[in-house]
Amino acid sequence: QQQVRQSSQSLTVWEGETAILNCSYENSAFDYFPWYQQFPGEGPALLIAIRSVSDKKEDGRFTIFFNKREKNLSLHIKDSQPGDSATYFCAASRRDSNYQLIWGSGTKLIIKP
Amino acid sequence: GGIITQTPKFLIGQEGQKLTLKCQQNFNHDTMYWYRQDSGKGLRLIYYSITENDLQKGDLSEGYDASREKKSSFSLTVTSAQKNEMAVFLCASSINWGGAEQYFGPGTRLTVL
Repeated sequence: QQQVRQSSQSLTVWEGETAILNCSYENSAFDYFPWYQQFPGEGPALLIAIRSVSDKKEDGRFTIFFNKREKNLSLHIKDSQPGDSATYFCAASRRDSNYQLIWGSGTKLIIKP
Repeated sequence: GGIITQTPKFLIGQEGQKLTLKCQQNFNHDTMYWYRQDSGKGLRLIYYSITENDLQKGDLSEGYDASREKKSSFSLTVTSAQKNEMAVFLCASSINWGGAEQYFGPGTRLTVL
């Protein structure tokens, strides 16, 4: 049973397009959702995060759209570049479990030049 | 800034062997974590240590031991390596427990023959 689900194992888009990575979750008590970016041979690094009181979080070319009612969120990467090629992990946590992160299985994003 | 160092980078063991992975951080963070990453799966928490003299089991602790030798170092022992096991073990740290950003090391890749 996956508490945090990333439906696409991989995604390929052309350079300059907007890449959209989807994530859904089961537990409505989750209230903090970070996205981590991982390049081959490295550990994950925090990219952007959102709390459930917001429906949108933007940081440069990266935007999270959050739908609490539907229990899903998406990461949009605008004007995607070959350097954005990486694996992206959606994670979720909740206050009553001391914010222990529950991780999705990741989406491998390939940006074609 | 700081860095997390994991040794060794690659570890090859025999079935039934006891293997130790080491992690050092110079962030002066209180909390440290060990995760296991299998191909196509999310990260799974093995052990974590909230402060220097603390040790907590994660969801995947069976078959592992951990030791927080001092604030800056956290070791993980595979008590009996399983044949054909292959995974990446990631060490992370955060300033404290409870929603803080986690910083990851580059990982130790384990292969069991």
